[in-house]
Amino acid sequence: KAGVTQTPRYLIKTRGQQVTLSCSPISGHRSVSWYQQTPGQGLQFLFEYFSETQRNKGNFPGRFSGRQFSNSRSEMNVSTLELGDSALYLCASSLRPGQQETQYFGPGTRLLVL
Amino acid sequence: QKEVEQDPGPLSVPEGAIVSLNCTYSNSAFQYFMWYRQYSRKGPELLMYTYSSGNKEDGRFTAQVDKSSKYISLFIRDSQPSDSATYLCALSRDDKIIFGKGTRLHILP
Repeated sequence: KAGVTQTPRYLIKTRGQQVTLSCSPISGHRSVSWYQQTPGQGLQFLFEYFSETQRNKGNFPGRFSGRQFSNSRSEMNVSTLELGDSALYLCASSLRPGQQETQYFGPGTRLLVL
Repeated sequence: QKEVEQDPGPLSVPEGAIVSLNCTYSNSAFQYFMWYRQYSRKGPELLMYTYSSGNKEDGRFTAQVDKSSKYISLFIRDSQPSDSATYLCALSRDDKIIFGKGTRLHILP
């Protein structure tokens, strides 16, 4: 069974630009969560989507947004990029919300903001 | 006080040794406790999942939860160089999940 896939794997942007990251969950998984990982703050929850609806949101500014499509694929968008947005962005899928025991992470998208 | 604390390491131990990794937490409402392993340039991988106090064993790995002390541990027996990675603890309650910052572990051949 194919794992969680994320595209692109690496991205370089400049301050003020916007970026869209994509995540394809494991087949049959309907919940998709996004996380930001940095050396200073560690792994932080961004938001979770289920059935095309955002169920939970972490403590991030409104520049961070996301959406989920009917096939459970998800995208996240960061507008007006700041240097501090440089991070590894991880997507994770699970069968249902709250079922961390079925959660699998993708390899991440490494974003560098210059 | 942070919700979860984890020593970042690095922790270096010789091959074959028993490794002990730990996290402390402050909120007694956490119900589920997990350990993830993350190799360089990879996403985290779930190693252990438990929801009760006590021990849970899976091969060379043992997860231990002490809810009264708000303390969780992961033990790795007969450590191998392939165990070299960053280990993250994670705690969840309701639909909220919090991760420790991870401990970098090096197993020396």
